[in-house]
Amino acid sequence: QVQLKETGPDLVQLTQTLSITCTVSGFSLTTYNVHWVRQPPGKGLEWMGAMWNGGGTDYNSAFKSRLSISRDTSKSQVFLKMNSLQTEDTAKYFCARHSPYYYVMDAWGQGASVTVSS
Amino acid sequence: IQLTQSPSLLSASVGDRVTLSCKGSQNINNYLAWYQQKLGEAPKLLIYNTNSLQTGIPSRFSGSGSGTDYTLTISSLQPEDVATYFCYQYNNGWTFGGGTKLELK
Repeated sequence: QVQLKETGPDLVQLTQTLSITCTVSGFSLTTYNVHWVRQPPGKGLEWMGAMWNGGGTDYNSAFKSRLSISRDTSKSQVFLKMNSLQTEDTAKYFCARHSPYYYVMDAWGQGASVTVSS
Repeated sequence: IQLTQSPSLLSASVGDRVTLSCKGSQNINNYLAWYQQKLGEAPKLLIYNTNSLQTGIPSRFSGSGSGTDYTLTISSLQPEDVATYFCYQYNNGWTFGGGTKLELK
């Protein structure tokens, strides 16, 4: 069945770089897209960016140039990397499968909780 | 496109008909979805393209709307429907509404 799993650090130091891996199964990264969404504690959802099935990317302009998304199709993995972390980046980070047929995120990982510490 | 959900908090009783609203700052052209998020869980897709029910979602959930105004309706509220509901537009970029928290009265 379709599964996504985020793995990454629980704690990141202020101004350092966050790296999270999304490992997927049950579908191909060359057919489906993968999006990243984050959720600060007690708050709403924020769309961060996308890795398209053709290998292209899109980013939320709110993250300017500090966000990067890449992939390794041979390992069925998508990577999120964000630098210059601040305390407001403390959040749960989700990867989600995005359907190229219905244009929505139809399956989600359980999320990776990250705390930015000073 | 900005999405504004109302109300932010809704209290209702089991069996009630519940209506949640989502308003866009521009025309969304029906590219509007609804997600349900229970405490501590990932969001779950309920409705896409305004009124298409995702596979496995109970038929008490329905969506409607057009232009800038969209609605999620639960025809008969069940205890397991307690959650926060987010609308999401994919007509121009990708954005979520701020959410409506649904609780039992």
